[in-house]
Amino acid sequence: DGGITQSPKYLFRKEGQNVTLSCEQNLNHDAMYWYRQDPGQGLRLIYYSQIVNDFQKGDIAEGYSVSREKKESFPLTVTSAQKNPTAFYLCASSVRGDGGRDTQYFGPGTRLTVL
Amino acid sequence: SQQGEEDPQALSIQEGENATMNCSYKTSINNLQWYRQNSGRGLVHLILIRSNEREKHSGRLRVTLDTSKKSSSLLITASRAADTASYFCAASGAGSYQLTFGKGTKLSVIP
Repeated sequence: DGGITQSPKYLFRKEGQNVTLSCEQNLNHDAMYWYRQDPGQGLRLIYYSQIVNDFQKGDIAEGYSVSREKKESFPLTVTSAQKNPTAFYLCASSVRGDGGRDTQYFGPGTRLTVL
Repeated sequence: SQQGEEDPQALSIQEGENATMNCSYKTSINNLQWYRQNSGRGLVHLILIRSNEREKHSGRLRVTLDTSKKSSSLLITASRAADTASYFCAASGAGSYQLTFGKGTKLSVIP
């Protein structure tokens, strides 16, 4: 899992609540990413950030929000607008902002369950 | 979409046998990467092959890329029980900042 940490490992949320997932990296990477993984599926990109104070929507950004105030941190908020938030969430980082050209290093993931 | 599609979806082999997984994609790519995921864990990068490369090796792994067929294969030789995991290909399109992942091949190596 490299130098990327995600917390918590398991998270339970009641319907209608916002919840924030933490992602921290000590690899001095410029770019960071959030993916969602559903059972038996590949990863889908939620948001990515190529540099501090900048981020872009991925393929499934609706119902999610992010911030990138520090190079090391890229928290993801799952809002009540996300209709089906139960999933496994993975954070990743890469050296440069052209992440498609780079190896991405993944954290261990957070499993979110909506009760 | 650059989405990779792995084949087969699941593969079960005996320890010591070779395992081959295939990946197809739709349009031009910068590179194609393979990742491994143990159950309930994050992904681990295995190998990256660039669009101008045809074959790469890393230990017991061999990856090939055929851009004319828009396909790649991952070969694991002399498999071990510890190789049991899901394997994903991820394609990076020309001019794209994103990696697009396939649904994965679930490999089971039986001791």
